[in-house]
Amino acid sequence: DSGVTQTPKHLITATGQRVTLRCSPRSGDLSVYWYQQSLDQGLQFLIQYYNGEERAKGNILERFSAQQFPDLHSELNLSSLELGDSALYFCASSPSGRVRTDTQYFGPGTRLTVL
Amino acid sequence: AQTVTQSQPEMSVQEAETVTLSCTYDTSESDYYLFWYKQPPSRQMILVIRQEAYKQQNATENRFSVNFQKAAKSFSLKISDSQLGDAAMYFCAYSRGGGADGLTFGKGTHLIIQP
Repeated sequence: DSGVTQTPKHLITATGQRVTLRCSPRSGDLSVYWYQQSLDQGLQFLIQYYNGEERAKGNILERFSAQQFPDLHSELNLSSLELGDSALYFCASSPSGRVRTDTQYFGPGTRLTVL
Repeated sequence: AQTVTQSQPEMSVQEAETVTLSCTYDTSESDYYLFWYKQPPSRQMILVIRQEAYKQQNATENRFSVNFQKAAKSFSLKISDSQLGDAAMYFCAYSRGGGADGLTFGKGTHLIIQP
């Protein structure tokens, strides 16, 4: 158990819908990262937040957005869902991620299925 | 952009034997970090080992060790005394130094342990 929690574990929804994935980082970690794992694209970095602020952006679609709240939990919002958005979405956290590169610890993931 | 290449989609090894998984990367950065993550059938991403580019000494964690060849941009993982629990997908990952960056992953190597 990495200490990172993600809810829900599974999500099934229809095309065009909007969903929110939630992540709670390890106690004391300030950075949260979101990743997408799909058969087509492999594991891709989406976005990083550090202490409430966006820190780095990867291959995140405009239909996707994220935020980190004052209690440091983070949410990933996916809208106008398409079949190709079906994937395993991971959240990871690290102690800093501001100046030094810390090891990222991954949550168990949320499996999203778009029908 | 940084790239990570794992040229072995699948490897097989007898229990108790030693196996080496290959990884090469491409970067123009001087400050970076390399990781091996393991993903068993549960889909949880588990850190195996971490290497800082500025360190000449190869990282070791129990039965897991790396061969880091900076000039060749090679980062292989050696698993000694393979156990059935080592069966998993193994991903090589790269991160720039400085903290503000996600991980760039290779496509993974599926490791099979033969009893």
